[in-house]
Amino acid sequence: DIQMTQSPPSLSASLGETVSIECRASEDIYSNLAWYQQKSGKSPQLLIYYASSLQDGVPSRFSGSGSGTQYSLKISGMQPEDEGVYYCLQGSKYPLTFGSGTKLEIK
Amino acid sequence: EVKLQQSGDELVRPGASVKISCKASGYTFTNYAMYWVKQSPGQGLEWIGTIIPLIDTTSYNQKFKGKATLTADKSSNTAYMELSRLTSEDSAVYYCARDYPGYYVMDAWGQGASVTVSS
Repeated sequence: DIQMTQSPPSLSASLGETVSIECRASEDIYSNLAWYQQKSGKSPQLLIYYASSLQDGVPSRFSGSGSGTQYSLKISGMQPEDEGVYYCLQGSKYPLTFGSGTKLEIK
Repeated sequence: EVKLQQSGDELVRPGASVKISCKASGYTFTNYAMYWVKQSPGQGLEWIGTIIPLIDTTSYNQKFKGKATLTADKSSNTAYMELSRLTSEDSAVYYCARDYPGYYVMDAWGQGASVTVSS
């Protein structure tokens, strides 16, 4: 199975600050990487797919990058509504595997 | 608008089974695979399995083989997941989620169904 190591486990950011979350895969996943945001008590929402493609309706302050085994999600200008838990997901090979999550809070 | 409406929360006895439904609307049900995902209390996300309704083909995470059974009813645009021989380890929120074709990721999610296993 492909292991997804996500960091940091938690993060606190000020309004307007730029934040980054990382995911490292245990093998090459060929950009088959998605990012999700989950707000408290809600279902996950797709932000980014194929490493850097922005899902329709997602604000442009969210961006993804990376290749091979290393990927990152950047939020350029933290907003109050960005609080939540962020997960990466590899879709390269079954079983699909998620990162352990990053809890993002406003400082 | 794509919508996945899941059945309600369940309280079930240890050793029993439970069947969760996921009714799809706003798109052609048979054109998209459906995933099922488990989220244990305060924990992360685990892929359980995938069903392709058009051809009734399933793929399972080895961890959930024998525990989860995925089916789909094309006449009612509804996917189902049955969980058997329930234990406290199965207490979790279970989500159905639609496949984003070509990318093996989930682009739309149900609201989740909480299953609590308790005597």
